[in-house]
Amino acid sequence: GAGVSQSPSNKVTEKGKDVELRCDPISGHTALYWYRQSLGQGLEFLIYFQGNSAPDKSGLPSDRFSAERTGGSVSTLTIQRTQQEDSAVYLCASSLGDRDEKLFFGSGTQLSVL
Amino acid sequence: GNSVTQMEGPVTLSEEAFLTINCTYTATGYPSLFWYVQYPGEGLQLLLKATKADDKGSNKGFEATYRKETTSFHLEKGSVQVSDSAVYFCALSKGYSTLTFGKGTMLLVSP
Repeated sequence: GAGVSQSPSNKVTEKGKDVELRCDPISGHTALYWYRQSLGQGLEFLIYFQGNSAPDKSGLPSDRFSAERTGGSVSTLTIQRTQQEDSAVYLCASSLGDRDEKLFFGSGTQLSVL
Repeated sequence: GNSVTQMEGPVTLSEEAFLTINCTYTATGYPSLFWYVQYPGEGLQLLLKATKADDKGSNKGFEATYRKETTSFHLEKGSVQVSDSAVYFCALSKGYSTLTFGKGTMLLVSP
């Protein structure tokens, strides 16, 4: 595609439910990143994929968070048993390679946990 | 660990005013430094970057110089426009493309 695509753009869920967020990176980009943007907190790194493997998962806040990437393309971020503090904008980015350093961001998924 | 500190906003300016947004960093080694911009309703996009000390990144009239001695990468523009209103993020790299971001500074430019 022309840019990084994320879906859904908005998600409202109840506390305790599981949610899945999807990211479709730019075609040909081997590196994919998930960030979280909370009000007043800036961007918080969650996880990085090179191809289908995740060399850096250091930013995942708890074991309720997981992510996978299949076929070196689409990635899914899953949050289990959501909590109110999970409410944030979840941003996905991709880059041509892991040394490219120019990230292309999607518009994000606004997650609201009630 | 690596961290980025940037001035809190919002920064409110009149059109054609001079802009400075301060950014300082803490990092081991020699990181690359970046400014990303997020316009209203859009995703973040790279504005400029510098990869080594004394490098100057520039784009769209914005500039920032990598100052190793002061661990700074301040963003400047000589004459801002209303269309520059956005949130600006300073960031550094860890050697591969995973970036550490500052909290962002909102810029509001009035006509």
